[in-house]
Amino acid sequence: DTAVSQTPKYLVTQMGNDKSIKCEQNLGHDTMYWYKQDSKKFLKIMFSYNNKELIINETVPNRFSPKSPDKAHLNLHINSLELGDSAVYFCASSQGPGGRSTDTQYFGPGTRLTVL
Amino acid sequence: AQSVTQLGSHVSVSEGALVLLRCNYSSSVPPYLFWYVQYPNQGLQLLLKYTSAATLVKGINGFEAEFKKSETSFHLTKPSAHMSDAAEYFCAVMNEKLTFGTGTRLTIIP
Repeated sequence: DTAVSQTPKYLVTQMGNDKSIKCEQNLGHDTMYWYKQDSKKFLKIMFSYNNKELIINETVPNRFSPKSPDKAHLNLHINSLELGDSAVYFCASSQGPGGRSTDTQYFGPGTRLTVL
Repeated sequence: AQSVTQLGSHVSVSEGALVLLRCNYSSSVPPYLFWYVQYPNQGLQLLLKYTSAATLVKGINGFEAEFKKSETSFHLTKPSAHMSDAAEYFCAVMNEKLTFGTGTRLTIIP
């Protein structure tokens, strides 16, 4: 059973389009995250949600909107896609309330987004 | 502010040789430190973590890391490299969020 799953695995789209990436975790965790990994492999947090509530919102353009319908799902919607949005996006989850903790974050396999 | 610095974006070692991947941290509070591994086209997987208990932390696949406060370091080691260890390795520090280093690509020479 996949612990943290993401769909789609690959996403190729044109500039200006709107797209969504879905994430689901079956670990019963309370906190979920979105990370962006750029072409140089640098990994940075974008958002985190605890029990459907936003707790971290880094300096991400407001074209990016996370949505958490329930604590097992965290989707990422991106409006008006730009070339610079091309990256690998990772979803992750952890057990506790997030914030400063020793909880392990479990990562999904990633979604490679290519904007043409 | 917190940060981690990984010295060496690429490290190559021969199969059977010692693996040493360096990580130095900066943190305004006692740090929680993590090492993650990323195999090609996969997500990140936890290798080990330091949670202020034992300073020598053992992880999966024969890896271990030692927390040295005086040196602000948390270097990752493995006594004998295997071909399957070839991957990208990330050191990370936790405060209110997990902050990653820039990664070290480990190549194993047959």
